[in-house]
Amino acid sequence: EVQLVESGGGLVQPGGSLRLSCAASGFTFSSYWMHWVRQAPGKGLVWVSRISSDESSTNYADSVKGRFTISRDNAKNTLYLQMNSLRAEDTAVYYCARRDQSSLDYWGQGTLVTVSS
Amino acid sequence: SYELTQPPSVSVSPGQTASITCSGDKLGDKFACWYQQKPGQSPVLVIYRDTKRPSGIPERFSGSNSGNTATLTISGTQVMDEADYYCQAWDSSTAWVFGGGTKLTVL
Repeated sequence: EVQLVESGGGLVQPGGSLRLSCAASGFTFSSYWMHWVRQAPGKGLVWVSRISSDESSTNYADSVKGRFTISRDNAKNTLYLQMNSLRAEDTAVYYCARRDQSSLDYWGQGTLVTVSS
Repeated sequence: SYELTQPPSVSVSPGQTASITCSGDKLGDKFACWYQQKPGQSPVLVIYRDTKRPSGIPERFSGSNSGNTATLTISGTQVMDEADYYCQAWDSSTAWVFGGGTKLTVL
């Protein structure tokens, strides 16, 4: 059974940093591109970042470019999102998701990041 | 940047057919997919590559994509189908983008 479990969310002050993790199981993690998607409270889904299966390619939404870094450790079956210079507008539930057939076929349960003083 | 437009809300009576549209420039040239999200839950893929249903998704869910519009159709809509639905498009030249979401009410 495919499982994606996010962790690392919490309350952080504006300007602070946080690292999210996504532990994958039930599939060959190293064969799949992975994504981060976020959802602000009461709002829609917003794509954040993606990383290729071998970590050679990464892309970011303009709103997080230069502040967020996506990475992965295929030996540990884990996806990461390093978030720096956090702003109030980054407050959201962050989901990791597996890409397959040009869509996101499995999603984690999400982890809440709250940026507030 | 590429944009996808969905109606904010759609209402349907139980047993009737619900259609949710997603509009974008030359969307028919890209792959479209649809996600269902119920309150407090993670999104679930219900249609991928325009028309395909993942394993476990009921046959009443179907999709189409042509011109500038992709459509999610739910035939014989059930109360359990009440949820938010998001379209998403992808091709090799487009950053991943979601539509704004449509709240489907079954009453």
